[in-house]
Order: sequence, then C-alpha cells, then structure tokens
Amino acid sequence: SQQGEEDPQALSIQEGENATMNCSYKTSINNLQWYRQNSGRGLVHLILIRSNEREKHSGRLRVTLDTSKKSSSLLITASRAADTASYFCATDASYLRPGGYQKVTFGTGTKLQVIP
Amino acid sequence: DVKVTQSSRYLVKRTGEKVFLECVQDMDHENMFWYRQDPGLGLRLIYFSYDVKMKEKGDIPEGYSVSREKKERFSLILESASTNQTSMYLCATALADSYEQYFGPGTRLTVT
Repeated sequence: SQQGEEDPQALSIQEGENATMNCSYKTSINNLQWYRQNSGRGLVHLILIRSNEREKHSGRLRVTLDTSKKSSSLLITASRAADTASYFCATDASYLRPGGYQKVTFGTGTKLQVIP
Repeated sequence: DVKVTQSSRYLVKRTGEKVFLECVQDMDHENMFWYRQDPGLGLRLIYFSYDVKMKEKGDIPEGYSVSREKKERFSLILESASTNQTSMYLCATALADSYEQYFGPGTRLTVT
C-alpha cells in the first residue's frame, strides 16, 4: 500500500493566495521529501526534511513535519500561475537495504491549479 | 545539473511486442530506478539498480525485466507487451545513500 497519502487530491486557488497541501504516512520514516510534476513531465525535487526536523524553508516553500501525527504539510506562499503542477510527498523507511539505498515511496499527489 | 534522458517521449506498441525503454544519465549516479505512473495510483517502483549488473525488484516487477551493462544506462524491457502496461514510465537516478532523486521527462507508452 502507498506510504504517503496527499490531501486534498485537487486544489484550485487564485494567484497570490497561499496553497497548503498535506501528506500523511503510516510507518516510521527517516526523511520526507516533496516533489513537483508539471503536466506530463518528470518529477522535480523541491525539499527534503529529516525526521528530527520540524520545519524547513526554501524560497516560497515551507514544509512542516509532525512525526507524532505522521504528517507533513507543504505551504506555497504568494502562489503564481507557474506553480500549477502536481505535488507529491515521498517517504523512506527507517531500514537499510542492500547497496545503501533506502526505498522511497511516493504518494498519489495533489493537483494544484493557480488561476491568474 | 543532472541530466536524465529517456529514449522516447511517446511510444505506441502492439500487444505481444518486445519493448525497450532506455534511460541515460550523465552524472555518475550509482542508483537508477524505473517507475510507472498511473492516475490515482501515484508512482510505483518497478525495478532499481544500485550498481552495474546489480538489480532489485521493486513493488511491481511482474512482466518487466531490466538491464544495466554500463553505469550511465538503465534499460526497462517489456518481454511481451500487454494493454495493462499502458502507462507513463519514469526513470530516476540518485547518488548512493542519497534520498533525492532526479527524474527523466518520462515515456508515455500505449499498448494497443
């Protein structure tokens, strides 16, 4: 089953407004990442937050992590039409797999539309 | 910047055909991945490779195989394409012990 579940599935806002998306997960994690996907393209990494961090900022992005609730939120401030995309959270489990790679599991995404 | 390229953006194949999807990266990353993306299901891992000739099954390997003969190239093979393999296929790379993945533009495969 999917580790990360984003909420809402779709969000439509006016340019200049803030957009908030949430991600919930089921098992303990090492890190949580957020990715953006423009229509029909590959994903682009936005930000990574570690399990011992509570908040992280990158430009207009603010990510929070609450490990007690197993949830994270992504806030995009002062949204622009160019922010229109799908946003995915990705989590990795707290066990080490052969080859040093920890499996990353992606959620189903939130589709954000920013109306000019 | 990391560049990950995929051999085709769009591909149409017939049921039963053998299909090769190729992914090439130019940043010397150890780890390479193949995902498929379907509406409502998100990204699902098919296979990944952490070194040349090394591979591990992901969540949905059935009907697929992979090949990694060189570090920069990771191929996904559909031995006998079926209509339920119609999907968007995404290749990604990462440094060893890094969680951040770099994605290619994707190949939209239609099997008729």
